Amino acid sequence: QSALTQPASVSGSPGQSITISCTATSSDVGSYNLVSWYQQRPGKAPKLIIYEGSKRPSGVSNRFSGSNSGNTASLTISGLQAEDEADYYCCSFGGTKTYVFGTGTKVTVL
Amino acid sequence: QVQLVESGGGLVKPGGSLRLSCAASGFTFSDYYMSWIRQAPGKGLEWVSYISSSGSPIYYADSVKGRFTISRDNAKNSLYLQMNSLTAEDTAVYFCARDEGSSSWYFWGQGTLVTVSS
Repeated sequence: QSALTQPASVSGSPGQSITISCTATSSDVGSYNLVSWYQQRPGKAPKLIIYEGSKRPSGVSNRFSGSNSGNTASLTISGLQAEDEADYYCCSFGGTKTYVFGTGTKVTVL
Repeated sequence: QVQLVESGGGLVKPGGSLRLSCAASGFTFSDYYMSWIRQAPGKGLEWVSYISSSGSPIYYADSVKGRFTISRDNAKNSLYLQMNSLTAEDTAVYFCARDEGSSSWYFWGQGTLVTVSS
């Protein structure tokens, strides 16, 4: 199945903005308008923070935003806060009615 | 409120079988697709399988196809994952999640740990 590649780690200082990329390694990965993003803190279930590329579920901070360009989707966290320290995963269709998650990115707030 | 509670995890020997359950409440279970997603210790998320609201269609990741079977009982508001021919690579926390469409899962269970070891 196809894969979605993310940087292993991204860091930033409080108040800064950071961007996490999610790049498809195969052309059969589905539309990037349908990428979702998840935040996962240690020992917890993932939390949906972006769906359909750029939409935020109710209750999710507007500091989180999603976009896409070509075969790369991106998650931007603005005004970085200590509570944003977590692992982040993108997800999309993997072709043939399957889903594929990205490799995951550890965000560190310096 | 929506609740998903997994059970059935534990220690099993290589080649063995295990059946996971996910009890759903707080929503009309029969209206939603459901998925199993797993996470090996210290590793990333891996989608395992999903099942439509009626029980068909069903899809699996290549890594579990032919060994795992997803099913549901809408009368009991329950989702299941029958896992056979288990290997060490199947060791993971298994989450059930409500499928909102477009690779989106808003509600997740707390997960149940499956350990495959001799």
